[in-house]
Amino acid sequence: SQTIHQWPATLVQPVGSPLSLECTVEGTSNPNLYWYRQAAGRGLQLLFYSVGIGQISSEVPQNLSASRPQDRQFILSSKKLLLSDSGFYLCAWKRPGLTLNEKLFFGSGTQLSVL
Amino acid sequence: GQQVMQIPQYQHVQEGEDFTTYCNSSTTLSNIQWYKQRPGGHPVFLIQLVKSGEVKKQKRLTFQFGEAKKNSSLHITATQTTDVGTYFCAGRDNAGNMLTFGGGTRLMVKP
Repeated sequence: SQTIHQWPATLVQPVGSPLSLECTVEGTSNPNLYWYRQAAGRGLQLLFYSVGIGQISSEVPQNLSASRPQDRQFILSSKKLLLSDSGFYLCAWKRPGLTLNEKLFFGSGTQLSVL
Repeated sequence: GQQVMQIPQYQHVQEGEDFTTYCNSSTTLSNIQWYKQRPGGHPVFLIQLVKSGEVKKQKRLTFQFGEAKKNSSLHITATQTTDVGTYFCAGRDNAGNMLTFGGGTRLMVKP
């Protein structure tokens, strides 16, 4: 069966510090991978998605970047965090291909507080 | 771009009362999905609707997809404390692009 791992679960970082959040998927090949951010009490904002190694698409301009160095690994990074980067970050995956009818599987999330 | 609006943003109900959340898209959708996020948790897939006018049931939950495939609703009959959480709809447009999530409806149930 497929599983998704996301870490750390919580993170407190000072403004201006770097960030690295990691997400890995097991039990599937060539998944589509996503990074979402959820502000407190708000909806899900898509940040990045990837359909393959080294292929990253950004949905919104921001202080963050993403990389996919391996098939089942997705990393969210920042060189210098801003206060506005605080939020709940969720990694998700879906089965590959252009099928329209596939659900997302979410990781357990990382609560990031930038102080 | 595609927008998906969800109302209400919050809903308090007494245990046993019914609850409905509504989802409206600015564009016609190819399908719509519903997710539930428990407090402190991550979204979990509930169901997907594909056909115009489709209705699906999961125990006390009834999901509907509008005839024009631009709106959807989730109705919970006789809420229980275990229903507490935020319910999100997510629509995919006809071009098969990314899922666009609604802002979610946070349901609180008083025992």
